[in-house]
Amino acid sequence: IQLTQSPSFLSASVGDRVTITCRASQGISNYLAWYQQKPGKAPKLLISAASTLQSGVPSRFSGSGSGTEFTLTISSLQPEDFATYYCQHLNSYLPGTFGQGTKVEIK
Amino acid sequence: EVQLVESGGGLVQPGGSLRLSCAASGFTFSNYWIHWVRQAPGKGLVWVSNINYDGGSTTYADSVKGRFTISRDNAKNTLYLQLNSLRAEDTAVYYCARRSGTGPLYGLDVWGQGTTVTVSS
Repeated sequence: IQLTQSPSFLSASVGDRVTITCRASQGISNYLAWYQQKPGKAPKLLISAASTLQSGVPSRFSGSGSGTEFTLTISSLQPEDFATYYCQHLNSYLPGTFGQGTKVEIK
Repeated sequence: EVQLVESGGGLVQPGGSLRLSCAASGFTFSNYWIHWVRQAPGKGLVWVSNINYDGGSTTYADSVKGRFTISRDNAKNTLYLQLNSLRAEDTAVYYCARRSGTGPLYGLDVWGQGTTVTVSS
């Protein structure tokens, strides 16, 4: 299974609504997670099962989708949200996979 | 505090070997699947390997199959990754990460800080 994120890069302003798409090469139900990574830091789990927000993650983050198309939405971009975002599919008994990443930068 | 701490990275020549360790604390290590993920300089995240609760099931990325071996010692709360026949393209930060639950609905909720492996002559 391959995951393709779009866009690879986006430039946005504080307060903007931002949407990142992740497309799977075949149907994966809702078996998708989203991560945020800042430079020099380990990734942070934001969303699992396509739409379940992890404890402590701000409610401006949301996820949706099923099958082959998924989205991560940030409803109002904050300064601390500028980072790289990755989608991921994990199947316990098959190799896992990440999308190539989407870098969100300040306009 | 729930945490994972990697160690064992370093500079190694092509064809050489290293063993990475990942020490767990603050949770019942034997209750969780654990994964290795790597990130080459300036590149994205790449899944490497995973291991189930008791070490009886392991899976590898095609790029490392036959060269890397994942294992765990639940008595020592420690995960290992043996890296053999290293290539320049194995140069990366290696992270260990805990899967938060059983099955594909769950993501990797606890990550170590990473350990750097550099393969160069």
